[in-house]
Amino acid sequence: GENVEQHPSTLSVQEGDSAVIKCTYSDSASNYFPWYKQELGKRPQLIIDIRSNVGEKKDQRIAVTLNKTAKHFSLHITETQPEDSAVYFCAAADTGFQKLVFGTGTRLLVSP
Amino acid sequence: EAQVTQNPRYLITVTGKKLTVTCSQNMNHEYMSWYRQDPGLGLRQIYYSMNVEVTDKGDVPEGYKVSRKEKRNFPLILESPSPNQTSLYFCASSFKTSGTGELFFGEGSRLTVL
Repeated sequence: GENVEQHPSTLSVQEGDSAVIKCTYSDSASNYFPWYKQELGKRPQLIIDIRSNVGEKKDQRIAVTLNKTAKHFSLHITETQPEDSAVYFCAAADTGFQKLVFGTGTRLLVSP
Repeated sequence: EAQVTQNPRYLITVTGKKLTVTCSQNMNHEYMSWYRQDPGLGLRQIYYSMNVEVTDKGDVPEGYKVSRKEKRNFPLILESPSPNQTSLYFCASSFKTSGTGELFFGEGSRLTVL
């Protein structure tokens, strides 16, 4: 089955810096890659997703890139703000198996 | 308001005492799923359901049961809880039957088994 590895487990940046979180997946059949943000004590919420027919997707300060050949995808946050502090989860899914497999999460801390 | 509702939000119980965590969604979603969240392990899928009366195992189904008798409800049953089931549980639903659309999560249920 699918296995998703996520790095780093913790990331500390200064406000205004960029942050990059990387994930690798094992199943070449996976074709859907969402990212979820979980603020402290809250539920995970989808912030951006990408499908395998697209190499990059942007939404204001966040972007996701996908390299199908290398089987890795990354989340990029520019001009970080304290409210970006949260745990971020990547995930991968093969639509044929109807299962979403999550990474282990990255705790991002943005210091003012 | 569109939402996924879980109950109870917090529960402390003892080993072997059967319990049920309820989950209900009002978005008419076909797909529902249960996850457990543990430090360092991320979100792991327990069971999922693509439609009424259709359920399937996720990655960590041992010790759990589910049922999907109605579209809106997807309860998680722990027949004989053990301390290793102490965790934060999330129910989620999605419009897409494949589970590859946006997942809407409930607020979570924190379970402690003594």
